[in-house]
Formats: sequence, structure tokens, C-alpha cells
Amino acid sequence: EAQVTQNPRYLITVTGKKLTVTCSQNMNHEYMSWYRQDPGLGLRQIYYSMNVEVTDKGDVPEGYKVSRKEKRNFPLILESPSPNQTSLYFCASSLQRLAVYEQYFGPGTRLTVT
Amino acid sequence: GIQVEQSPPDLILQEGANSTLRCNFSDSVNNLQWFHQNPWGQLINLFYIPSGTKQNGRLSATTVATERYSLLYISSSQTTDSGVYFCAVTNAGGTSYGKLTFGQGTILTVHP
Repeated sequence: EAQVTQNPRYLITVTGKKLTVTCSQNMNHEYMSWYRQDPGLGLRQIYYSMNVEVTDKGDVPEGYKVSRKEKRNFPLILESPSPNQTSLYFCASSLQRLAVYEQYFGPGTRLTVT
Repeated sequence: GIQVEQSPPDLILQEGANSTLRCNFSDSVNNLQWFHQNPWGQLINLFYIPSGTKQNGRLSATTVATERYSLLYISSSQTTDSGVYFCAVTNAGGTSYGKLTFGQGTILTVHP
């Protein structure tokens, strides 16, 4: 089954404790992206990757890191989480050929930083 | 950066009614997508439609790129259509076609 998986689905952590949210897709998609969703602010792009070893900042990259060492995986790293990073996070992937086509989303990760 | 505005912000319908959701954008785009987020939070891609018209069952979408808007039509609405509808675009004049900007969404509630 074609899918995007994220882990964990729910996480409660404390300020400053490094964490990683994993994202994996089995569709051989070149493009992957991370978004955060906050009430009243909609979905905002954090980072995206056009292909292996190619990553770029979205609109809200501060406080986050990513890496794309393999095509299927695109982990999101919070080196020192803060309460303002409490949010619902989505990973997505798609084919890309001079355009980013239909995106497939993971189920979301709800992160709470206390 | 490019601005994306969706209207209306909220929409309440009786089952069976038709509706039109609008997405306006402030600059030329080379990518426009419509998504549905169901009440459980799952995001589903509805259309990739940078221009022209597409139909999928009771849903159809039209993008008039030259006039900087897109419309999503829902006919014979069902309670399962409830949720939030987002459009997202990539600025054609931007530095990367991978950077997507979302509108704030339209919250649709369909009553039985």
C-alpha cells in the first residue's frame, strides 16, 4: 500500500530535550516536505527536499533541522524544542518533474513541548 | 511572498446542497493544489490544477491562472464532505517550485 508514515504519532516532551520525528514514504517520490499546522495560522511549510541531499527552507524553518540521506526518509529534528513548537506536524511526498505534483500526506504527529 | 486568500472562511450546508469555494492568489503560480482535511485530521489531495478544469465525481475545480483564482465546486454535498478545504500554491516567480504556500482554509459543515 502506497503511504507516508510518521513516528511518533503523539509526543509530549520538555523544553530543550532533542527529538526526531521520522517520515518515510514507499512511493519512490523525489519530493518530500514538512509542515506545521496551528489554529488560526493554517499550514505552514518548514523545510522541503527536491531530492536526496537537496533541502531548502520553507516559511518557518527556525528551530528545525532536516536531512535527506535516502530517498524514502526525511526526518525532522528539533535540537532544542521550545513551547512555541507545540503543534501538529505533517510530512508529505510527491513526484516532481519541474513541478511538484499531488502531495500525499502522513497521518500527522501531535507534539507538545512543556 | 505570495498571498493566498480563501473564501468563505466558514460554510454550513444541508446535505444535497451545492457549494463553491474560492482561492485567490496575489501572483502568478505554477502549481495549485486543493486538499481536504477531514474531521480526524487526515489530509487528502483533491486536485493538482495549476490551470484549466478537472472533475472527480461530485467534485470539480477550475483555475483561471491569468485572473489569479481557483474555484472548487462540491455538488450534492454529503456529511462526509465536512472538514477543512485548503488550497496551496507555488509562486511562478519564486526561487523554487518546491515552496508551497497555503491559504487559511474554508471550514465546511454539512448537516444531514
